[in-house]
Amino acid sequence: SQQGEEDPQALSIQEGENATMNCSYKTSINNLQWYRQNSGRGLVHLILIRSNEREKHSGRLRVTLDTSKKSSSLLITASRAADTASYFCAKDNNDMRFGAGTRLTVKP
Amino acid sequence: GAGVSQTPSNKVTEKGKYVELRCDPISGHTALYWYRQSLGQGPEFLIYFQGTGAADDSGLPNDRFFAVRPEGSVSTLKIQRTERGDSAVYLCASSPVPSPNTGELFFGEGSRLTVL
Repeated sequence: SQQGEEDPQALSIQEGENATMNCSYKTSINNLQWYRQNSGRGLVHLILIRSNEREKHSGRLRVTLDTSKKSSSLLITASRAADTASYFCAKDNNDMRFGAGTRLTVKP
Repeated sequence: GAGVSQTPSNKVTEKGKYVELRCDPISGHTALYWYRQSLGQGPEFLIYFQGTGAADDSGLPNDRFFAVRPEGSVSTLKIQRTERGDSAVYLCASSPVPSPNTGELFFGEGSRLTVL
């Protein structure tokens, strides 16, 4: 079964707004990673957060991890049209399993 | 440097035929993963190799699917007696850091399989 379920399934915002995507999981993890996928392409790694970390930043990306709630969130600030893509979380629990993803559309 | 390479990029076959999909990981990456992705869905885990051995093959849907990595580098995903439901994009990824605490996965562009 898949691990790491994202919500919302789809998100549409205007350029300049912030986008928040959430990921929940069911069992303990070693780390959690976020990936981006442009239509028809392979996935690209965005950020990794370890189970003993609570927050991590990379450029316009901010990831939080709450192991007590078994959830993570990805925040993209000041979104751009080029951020339009699908975003997936992946849970590392001795394998790497992905959720169904959030399809983000940023309108110019 | 070269990334993860997958061949063929597109494969069209007839129901019942045998198919092989190849993945060339980044040199030196010990961990290799296969996923299957249908339109609008997330990548579905199939199998994970650590070196030459399959560390976790619990995602293979049935015994028509088999994967090998005989020398710990190139991997081949083999599908026997293909069915229309096997149509999907098959993604390969490699990582220099094995589980636990897997590092970043580097993905190929995928092999799109269409079974007619």
